[in-house]
Amino acid sequence: QSALTQPASVSGSPGQSITISCTGTTSDVGNYNVVSWYQQHPGKAPKLMIYEGSKRPSGVSNRFSGSQSDNTATLTISGLQAEDEADYYCCSYAGNFVFGIGTKVTVL
Amino acid sequence: EVQLVESGGGLVMPGGSLRLSCTASGLPFNDAWMSWVRQAPGTGLEWVGRIKSRVDPETTDYAAPVRGRFTISRDDSKNTIYLQMNSLKIEDTALYFCSWLGTTTSFHSWGQGTLVTVSS
Repeated sequence: QSALTQPASVSGSPGQSITISCTGTTSDVGNYNVVSWYQQHPGKAPKLMIYEGSKRPSGVSNRFSGSQSDNTATLTISGLQAEDEADYYCCSYAGNFVFGIGTKVTVL
Repeated sequence: EVQLVESGGGLVMPGGSLRLSCTASGLPFNDAWMSWVRQAPGTGLEWVGRIKSRVDPETTDYAAPVRGRFTISRDDSKNTIYLQMNSLKIEDTALYFCSWLGTTTSFHSWGQGTLVTVSS
């Protein structure tokens, strides 16, 4: 399985909304409700932000939302805050797990 | 709160072996599906493998780059999983994270990782 495709970087100003795309195939991302998203700050462990495409774990801000269309999943961060600056990874399950290459989010 | 603590990392020569451990607390470990994920320096996340619960029954799956060299096992009496790594290669150098699969398809909790360096 090849790594899922994500933009290398996305930036936005505080208060803005940004989106991060995650593109795969019909065998992975296209298999609905199998995509999850992780936030990773430098030197820290990843943190689950979205699972099964659009569900938020307890404690994750509702500024984070997930959606999907065909073979592309999308993470939206609304009301961007300085603390959102981090790397974000999507992940899909198709028997095995495959991660995206990661997107660096910069808050301007 | 789920806590995962990895140990066992270190420096090993190419071709050598190492065993990592991950001890869990705060979850029903006997029913838990667990996984290892690694991150090479300056790169992204890479899934290593998974072990299902004893009733499933302890089925293991591995990523292609480690299949046949790495083995995941578990000791439910110690709330611990292990990653036995044999025939280590330089490209296995990474921070190895233990993770709890809260659902079949997502990693709900992560440890802080243990660093494995393969070098001569």
